[in-house]
Amino acid sequence: QQQVKQSPQSLIVQKGGISIINCAYENTAFDYFPWYQQFPGKGPALLIAIRPDVSEKKEGRFTISFNKSAKQFSLHIMDSQPGDSATYFCAASIKGYSTLTFGKGTMLLVSP
Amino acid sequence: GAVVSQHPSWVICKSGTSVKIECRSLDFQATTMFWYRQFPKQSLMLMATSNEGSKATYEQGVEKDKFLINHASLTLSTLTVTSAHPEDSSFYICSAPDGSSYEQYFGPGTRLTVT
Repeated sequence: QQQVKQSPQSLIVQKGGISIINCAYENTAFDYFPWYQQFPGKGPALLIAIRPDVSEKKEGRFTISFNKSAKQFSLHIMDSQPGDSATYFCAASIKGYSTLTFGKGTMLLVSP
Repeated sequence: GAVVSQHPSWVICKSGTSVKIECRSLDFQATTMFWYRQFPKQSLMLMATSNEGSKATYEQGVEKDKFLINHASLTLSTLTVTSAHPEDSSFYICSAPDGSSYEQYFGPGTRLTVT
C-alpha cells in the first residue's frame, strides 16, 4: 500500500516535444506529491510538487496533473529540451515532510 | 529553495576503515533529516531517519551498528559507515524537510568507494 508505481521506465522524446511521465499510488493518506529531477552523479532536485486540493499545477514548462479519484498523477514537460535529459522520480508522502515514497524513476532522453 | 550540503562529495577508503559523511542544512533548521542510498540506475532507498536530540530510526534491513547516525544540531547530521566493505560502495544522499514549506531538499550526494 506504500508503493508508488512509475511509468515508463525510459522515454525518448524529440526536442520540442512533450514528455509525459505517469505515477499511481494506493495509499489514500498521501497528501503531498513532488517530482524530482536527478542528473548523473548529483542529488535529486525538487522540480515541482502538488497537494491533492488542486488538479493541476504549472511552473514554466513543467505541469503536474493530479487525478485524486484515479489515484494518479503525471508530469508533463512541454517543449522538451536536451538539457531536460535526466532521471525523473515521482514521490508521495503524508503530511508533507514525513518520509517520501519514491517511484522507480524514468530516464528521459531528449534527442536534438 | 532551501539548500542542503554534503561533505565530502566523494571518498575512497580501504576495506575495514570508517568513513564519516556530513549533511548540513544551510539556510534553515532541520529537526529531521533522512539518509538514502542509491545504486546505479535505481531509485533512492531510505536507510534511516535522523532526529535531532534523539536516536535515529533505521529502516528494516539496515544495520544500525554499521551505519551510525548522529544528529548533533538543528543543521547537522552525520552518517558514519563503520568497518566499510566493498559492498558498502554506493551513492549516499541526505535530505531535509523545510518545515515552513513542507518541501524536502536533497544534498548533492556522496560517492563512497571501498577498495
